[in-house]
Amino acid sequence: ETGVTQTPRHLVMGMTNKKSLKCEQHLGHNAMYWYKQSAKKPLELMFVYNFKEQTENNSVPSRFSPECPNSSHLFLHLHTLQPEDSALYLCASSQDMQNEAFFGQGTRLTVV
Amino acid sequence: RKEVEQDPGPFNVPEGATVAFNCTYSNSASQSFFWYRQDCRKEPKLLMSVYSSGNEDGRFTAQLNRASQYISLLIRDSKLSDSATYLCVVMNSGYSTLTFGKGTMLLVSP
Repeated sequence: ETGVTQTPRHLVMGMTNKKSLKCEQHLGHNAMYWYKQSAKKPLELMFVYNFKEQTENNSVPSRFSPECPNSSHLFLHLHTLQPEDSALYLCASSQDMQNEAFFGQGTRLTVV
Repeated sequence: RKEVEQDPGPFNVPEGATVAFNCTYSNSASQSFFWYRQDCRKEPKLLMSVYSSGNEDGRFTAQLNRASQYISLLIRDSKLSDSATYLCVVMNSGYSTLTFGKGTMLLVSP
């Protein structure tokens, strides 16, 4: 299933690096999301875009910066991250904000 | 009280067994409910939606109890391939996003 595609699948970065995560959905959905999944914790919603407009930012530190250039692409720009930011970052999309979400395979990020 | 609570498990069952998970939610205005399945180091995948009247999909049955604010998932005739973490997911009213529980781990052994 390649409805929601994320790249890269794995990323190791130093605390001074700048990198970007990419997400693309081929489902014609209008809403896209970034989630963070850390060990022993439930999925944490980070950002929501609905029709390319950011509708939610769940108190995410400014070292994470989302970008949604169109309804099928979503980026997460990373800079000066901390080791505790190491986690699985999942992108998801849904038809609208009242429907179930479909996830990409995630980017496993390690900050060293 | 956490928004969505699940017993983390693990639930260890033999093949062929029937197993049930419960999940409680705190927001009485919640309107949509789902069960997702997540395999180790993979992304969550939608297993089934949960309807007010209850619904069944093969060996899987989901129930909703609004009065007690819990949903359940019953798996009959467990298979080895059912081993995974099952995530309870709740959506509140209006334009709202999904709230996930921590998940319940199921291990099915031969």
